[in-house]
Amino acid sequence: NAGVTQTPKFQVLKTGQSMTLQCAQDMNHEYMSWYRQDPGMGLRLIHYSVGAGITDQGEVPNGYNVSRSTTEDFPLRLLSAAPSQTSVYFCASSYRSPGTGDYEQYFGPGTRLTVT
Amino acid sequence: GESVGLHLPTLSVQEGDNSIINCAYSNSASDYFIWYKQESGKGPQFIIDIRSNMDKRQGQRVTVLLNKTVKHLSLQIAATQPGDSAVYFCAENGQTRAGNQFYFGTGTSLTVIP
Repeated sequence: NAGVTQTPKFQVLKTGQSMTLQCAQDMNHEYMSWYRQDPGMGLRLIHYSVGAGITDQGEVPNGYNVSRSTTEDFPLRLLSAAPSQTSVYFCASSYRSPGTGDYEQYFGPGTRLTVT
Repeated sequence: GESVGLHLPTLSVQEGDNSIINCAYSNSASDYFIWYKQESGKGPQFIIDIRSNMDKRQGQRVTVLLNKTVKHLSLQIAATQPGDSAVYFCAENGQTRAGNQFYFGTGTSLTVIP
């Protein structure tokens, strides 16, 4: 299994440009999420999905859109990039252990985005 | 919303010593806690977890302690090695209005001195 993959690894955008951060997982996990990581802020949830066709907002959803057309893919779209969106973005997938009921979460390697 | 915080942003230990990293959480309804390790340039990696019906859980060289009375979580690393140098995050998980969510602390940077 490749686990959780993210592309690109690095990206520089100008203010107002749009782009899509890609995320894919091959573990057949139902739950996927996007986080941003800023210095001193920890990981903050942007959007999440509990299954194909179902998405919802997290703590900091403004300026981002998501869709979940398949179980494997969960792209994050920036419609009009702003300098405040300069951050490291992590995608994660998780599943609920049928035995314990615990959620185990697996993270991708991250995308470093700079908006100038 | 929920908040998870760490008492110390940085920690330096000598190789071979034990490390203790602390974490406070605020949501008394959280029932599952995880410690992650994040090395430079990489995503967080699961280390150990604990459910709220436990107060201690041991792994290989790591132990997590949970004190629900004061809403405090700690990660103990025995015989710390240079490869343990990383940022360590605690996360809490529980049902909220938004569904089942993970909330992360800001992280503690552990440096192991050879």
